[in-house]
Amino acid sequence: DVKVTQSSRYLVKRTGEKVFLECVQDMDHENMFWYRQDPGLGLRLIYFSYDVKMKEKGDIPEGYSVSREKKERFSLILESASTNQTSMYLCASSLSQTFYGNQPQHFGDGTRLSIL
Amino acid sequence: EDQVTQSPEALRLQEGESSSLNCSYTVSGLRGLFWYRQDPGKGPEFLFTLYSAGEEKEKERLKATLTKKESFLHITAPKPEDSATYLCAVGTSGTYKYIFGTGTRLKVLA
Repeated sequence: DVKVTQSSRYLVKRTGEKVFLECVQDMDHENMFWYRQDPGLGLRLIYFSYDVKMKEKGDIPEGYSVSREKKERFSLILESASTNQTSMYLCASSLSQTFYGNQPQHFGDGTRLSIL
Repeated sequence: EDQVTQSPEALRLQEGESSSLNCSYTVSGLRGLFWYRQDPGKGPEFLFTLYSAGEEKEKERLKATLTKKESFLHITAPKPEDSATYLCAVGTSGTYKYIFGTGTRLKVLA
């Protein structure tokens, strides 16, 4: 089974802090994604990466950056945390597209981040 | 604009009362439709992938079907442990992105 592990289940930080969220997958997936999930808004894509050191902005990248130095690890960085970044953060990974189409994403259990 | 809409937003069923959840989509080129189950406080758990109209997938009490405009997740004789939020997502041509619906919250009463 695919395993996507997020470093923390719960995290509390203060405004202005630099926050690091870590994600590791063990299935040699090329693609990795960071989402945030808020009630009524669903899953919103922050950033994704389709290869080591490659990244692309998602729909809401402002205030975030990412790092992918190794294939199995994808980090999300909140440069200067603000209260509106309080949310559930979900990491996912998937294989590359095949002839048939996209491959399913596999998710970690999320990090519930509170910014005070 | 590519879009995914799920209905109903919430559904309450008695144990054993079969029903269907709907996921309708408008995308420029479908490259896969995915169903997930999400329990409170956890990440989505992958259930099914469907690639072409007419395709069906089954797992225990769940059956997913796909047409050119929508997908259904049929739940046969549900049990309380089937209570969860069910999400659908689509992959589209020319992008790595997946478009998610906002989910259907299912509650099965004993």
